[in-house]
Amino acid sequence: DAGVTQSPTHLIKTRGQHVTLRCSPISGHKSVSWYQQVLGQGPQFIFQYYEKEERGRGNFPDRFSARQFPNYSSELNVNALLLGDSALYLCASSLDGNTIYFGEGSWLTVV
Amino acid sequence: EDQVTQSPEALRLQEGESSSLNCSYTVSGLRGLFWYRQDPGKGPEFLFTLYSAGEEKEKERLKATLTKKESFLHITAPKPEDSATYLCAVQANQAGTALIFGKGTTLSVSS
Repeated sequence: DAGVTQSPTHLIKTRGQHVTLRCSPISGHKSVSWYQQVLGQGPQFIFQYYEKEERGRGNFPDRFSARQFPNYSSELNVNALLLGDSALYLCASSLDGNTIYFGEGSWLTVV
Repeated sequence: EDQVTQSPEALRLQEGESSSLNCSYTVSGLRGLFWYRQDPGKGPEFLFTLYSAGEEKEKERLKATLTKKESFLHITAPKPEDSATYLCAVQANQAGTALIFGKGTTLSVSS
């Protein structure tokens, strides 16, 4: 079975631009979460969605938004990009919240 | 405030030299404690979830244990392929399925 898949794997954006990152969860998983990982740090929670509803939000500005689609895939959107948004963005999916699987991530570089 | 502290930040071992990684945590009601392995440039790979003090789980050369204040990841007779960053995360009862991560311990095993 396919694991959590994310796209794109790498991208470079200019300050002030907008970016959309995509995630497909493991088949059958209805919960999707997003995390930001900057170099040398552990991942930091951004959002959790379950059955298309937002169930949790981390301490991130309103420039960050997300949504989940009827097929349980998800998008993370970041507006007005800042240099500090450069990071690895990770998507995770879970069936029951007890075993949480991560994708390989999307590397975002803001220049 | 819920938080996770991992020690040491970095650990160098000779092949076959057993050791332990520490994860101390403060959380307002522990729902679960998670261990992940992360290779450079990759997403975290799920290893274990522990739920209550006294619980232990094993996988190959790895064994995770949990007390009320900390968790240990014991590595028995490590091999060079065990070299990676090991991340610890907690899930609080009041925070849904969001994970709070430590900064990780980077393990290097030389032959």
